[in-house]
Amino acid sequence: EPEVTQTPSHQVTQMGQEVILRCVPISNHLYFYWYRQILGQKVEFLVSFYNNEISEKSEIFDDQFSVERPDGSNFTLKIRSTKLEDSAMYFCASRPGTSGTGELFFGEGSRLTVL
Amino acid sequence: AQKVTQAQTEISVVEKEDVTLDCVYETRDTTYYLFWYKQPPSGELVFLIRRNSFDEQNEISGRYSWNFQKSTSSFNFTITASQVVDSAVYFCALSEAYNFNKFYFGSGTKLNVKP
Repeated sequence: EPEVTQTPSHQVTQMGQEVILRCVPISNHLYFYWYRQILGQKVEFLVSFYNNEISEKSEIFDDQFSVERPDGSNFTLKIRSTKLEDSAMYFCASRPGTSGTGELFFGEGSRLTVL
Repeated sequence: AQKVTQAQTEISVVEKEDVTLDCVYETRDTTYYLFWYKQPPSGELVFLIRRNSFDEQNEISGRYSWNFQKSTSSFNFTITASQVVDSAVYFCALSEAYNFNKFYFGSGTKLNVKP
């Protein structure tokens, strides 16, 4: 069964460093997302991406964050200068086009630890 | 504004007991979708069910059942004859039917099933 894959599964970084989290969405999906879950808290929407541009972003998604689909398969989240409060599990998700049922298919998450 | 409330932060049961996880939502939309996701200790988000706002039929899938009541804005999830493998955090989520960009997650209910 096709699935969303994320790398790395866990990354430890120093405050102020740049981090890139990578995702390979399901191949025929058109909409891509990043969500964040701070330990023990709810899953929060960060950004959605469609047709090679951001379609919506939350207030969390400030100038430190960027997303990119550099080729036909990868979808990346970059945090330019990490802060302690960026420590969280980051989930990539994708869904088909308008014919889909709205279900988001999530990856297994990338845990980011900022020291 | 959309909001999902899971008032039960943690529930502990003994194996074979039935357990119900509560979910109450708020939305001004007349058309929306409701979801349940399971997050096992490994961290990934596993889709369990999707319900649209026009379909109030209850659904059963094996030991899982869902009770959607629009009148009380609730979408409760029952596990019958719980098993240790059901131990996880369960999230209820809401999305607008015409804007799947953003899922609104509840804060989750941690279910502990003891042998």
